[in-house]
Amino acid sequence: AQSVTQLGSHVSVSEGALVLLRCNYSSSVPPYLFWYVQYPNQGLQLLLKYTTGATLVKGINGFEAEFKKSETSFHLTKPSAHMSDAAEYFCAVSVGWDYNQGGKLIFGQGTELSVKP
Amino acid sequence: GAVVSQHPSRVICKSGTSVKIECRSLDFQATTMFWYRQFPKKSLMLMATSNEGSKATYEQGVEKDKFLINHASLTLSTLTVTSAHPEDSSFYICSALDREGHQPQHFGDGTRLSIL
Repeated sequence: AQSVTQLGSHVSVSEGALVLLRCNYSSSVPPYLFWYVQYPNQGLQLLLKYTTGATLVKGINGFEAEFKKSETSFHLTKPSAHMSDAAEYFCAVSVGWDYNQGGKLIFGQGTELSVKP
Repeated sequence: GAVVSQHPSRVICKSGTSVKIECRSLDFQATTMFWYRQFPKKSLMLMATSNEGSKATYEQGVEKDKFLINHASLTLSTLTVTSAHPEDSSFYICSALDREGHQPQHFGDGTRLSIL
């Protein structure tokens, strides 16, 4: 079975500071990993994904994440926070790449990011 | 890119009524869609997997007769909350695998359901 744990339900940073949102996963098979962002009363927008290959993944809006198999982690980072980054962030794991392999996403609990001016 | 449209964005209705929520893939055919429920300040809970032309697969603990899912075409899945009660009030979100049936999932903007 797969699971995702996001450490810290709420993270607060100052504008311009480093953003680090933590995600650890559990999977019995090589996972596909995702980070999504959700703004209030909206759906989820994909920030980035890890499938295979390069372990450092770059996404939109300056975010990136590194897949570390030995640590079963997929932490999300951004060098310099912007006010517009304030939102809810979800880490997710999928067993399969398509429905035949199991297309369900298992989400972490979410981390609310606040950015102080 | 792929776009998923969800309608309505917000609905308020009286207890006992049934409410239908639509999820459309606008520029691609989606054989597989997913329905999630999200409680305030909580994560997304997968309710069911919707497959075009076949019965939906419900997650454990989700009432099939309460949450009716129909995926009648390659671009439309509907979720009907039957005889809705205040405890059914929530944020419902749909998603679809991309045009090749692959990850990542593309999400609709959600429907805020409020039952009075």
